[in-house]
Amino acid sequence: GDSVTQTEGQVTVSESKSLIINCTYSATSIGYPNLFWYVRYPGEGLQLLLKVITAGQKGSSRGFEATYNKEATSFHLQKASVQESDSAVYYCALSDRVNTGNYKYVFGAGTRLKVIA
Amino acid sequence: EAAVTQSPRNKVTVTGGNVTLSCRQTNSHNYMYWYRQDTGHGLRLIHYSYGAGNLQIGDVPDGYKATRTTQEDFFLLLELASPSQTSLYFCASSPTGGARGTQYFGPGTRLLVL
Repeated sequence: GDSVTQTEGQVTVSESKSLIINCTYSATSIGYPNLFWYVRYPGEGLQLLLKVITAGQKGSSRGFEATYNKEATSFHLQKASVQESDSAVYYCALSDRVNTGNYKYVFGAGTRLKVIA
Repeated sequence: EAAVTQSPRNKVTVTGGNVTLSCRQTNSHNYMYWYRQDTGHGLRLIHYSYGAGNLQIGDVPDGYKATRTTQEDFFLLLELASPSQTSLYFCASSPTGGARGTQYFGPGTRLLVL
């Protein structure tokens, strides 16, 4: 079945340094899945950070960006300079067609980002 | 902005207890979902619904029932709670069930089964 892998459970980065959170996926449908990054701030629900529905394209939001790499089946999240307010849990996800008209979301386990001063 | 609320935010019960988790969304979305999240796992789909009175089985339904009473309200029922159901539960809604649809999440309910 489909799966999403985030290899790091927690990442600690100093403020103003660069960030990369790794995400790889496996999808079983004939077409290409849609890829998402969600973020969860303390005490809140997950909210969409960015999404990319076309292989080879890049999505960006709030200084974060991710490129849909179908050859490497990756969708890594990057930011050039993090701030303390970026501390949160980041989830990679895909949606994939399971049959005609029906789609399924699959989430990674999440990566907790801690930004230190 | 879609608003999804969950209650209670925290719940402690004993093995064999009866628990109901509530979810309400106020943006008239058709689809609603219940997920659980455990350390080291992604969100796993328990049940979902595409309208009042409709219920679809997700990937980890055992031990859970759900009811969608109105467009706004979706409930998750644990009739004989077990320690394995200790988890963080998220409710979500989306306007469609399509692949490009964004899901809007509630803040989560943390359940502890002793």
